[in-house]
Amino acid sequence: KAGVTQTPRYLIKTRGQQVTLSCSPISGHRSVSWYQQTPGQGLQFLFEYFSETQRNKGNFPGRFSGRQFSNSRSEMNVSTLELGDSALYLCASSPGGSHQPQHFGDGTRLSIL
Amino acid sequence: AQKVTQAQTEISVVEKEDVTLDCVYETRDTTYYLFWYKQPPSGELVFLIRRNSFDEQNEISGRYSWNFQKSTSSFNFTITASQVVDSAVYFCALSEPGTASKLTFGTGTRLQVTL
Repeated sequence: KAGVTQTPRYLIKTRGQQVTLSCSPISGHRSVSWYQQTPGQGLQFLFEYFSETQRNKGNFPGRFSGRQFSNSRSEMNVSTLELGDSALYLCASSPGGSHQPQHFGDGTRLSIL
Repeated sequence: AQKVTQAQTEISVVEKEDVTLDCVYETRDTTYYLFWYKQPPSGELVFLIRRNSFDEQNEISGRYSWNFQKSTSSFNFTITASQVVDSAVYFCALSEPGTASKLTFGTGTRLQVTL
């Protein structure tokens, strides 16, 4: 069974630009969550999508948004990039049940110049 | 608010030594789940174990074992006879009630196993 696939693996942007990251969940998984990992703040929850609807949200500004498609694939968008957005962005999927563990992808490493 | 504390930032051991990674959590919820994940240098978080708040039985899986003590709000992870391949960052995480998809992670413990 293929794992969670995130593209691209690496991305370099400049301040003020916007970026879109993609995540394909494990086949059959309907929940997709996004996390930001930085050396200073650690792993922080961004949001979760389930059946194309945002089900949970973390404490990030509105510049961070996401969506989920009917095939459960998800995209995350960050607008007006700031230096502090440099991070590893991890996507995780699960079947969607209340306490089923998430399975993570390799992440997209975003660098802001 | 929920909080997970992993006080050990980095641990170095020699292969075949046993090592315990500590995890202390805070929550006001009576129902919750705890998790351990491993993050090798490749970056992917690998799921190791899930434990619910009503099950205080210790668990053993091969060289790995977990000790959950609700009385001290701790969920410690022991690797027996460590190996070089165990070198990674280990994260303890706590879920909010009703969902395992919104995790609060600890800051992680970097384990270095040398020959």
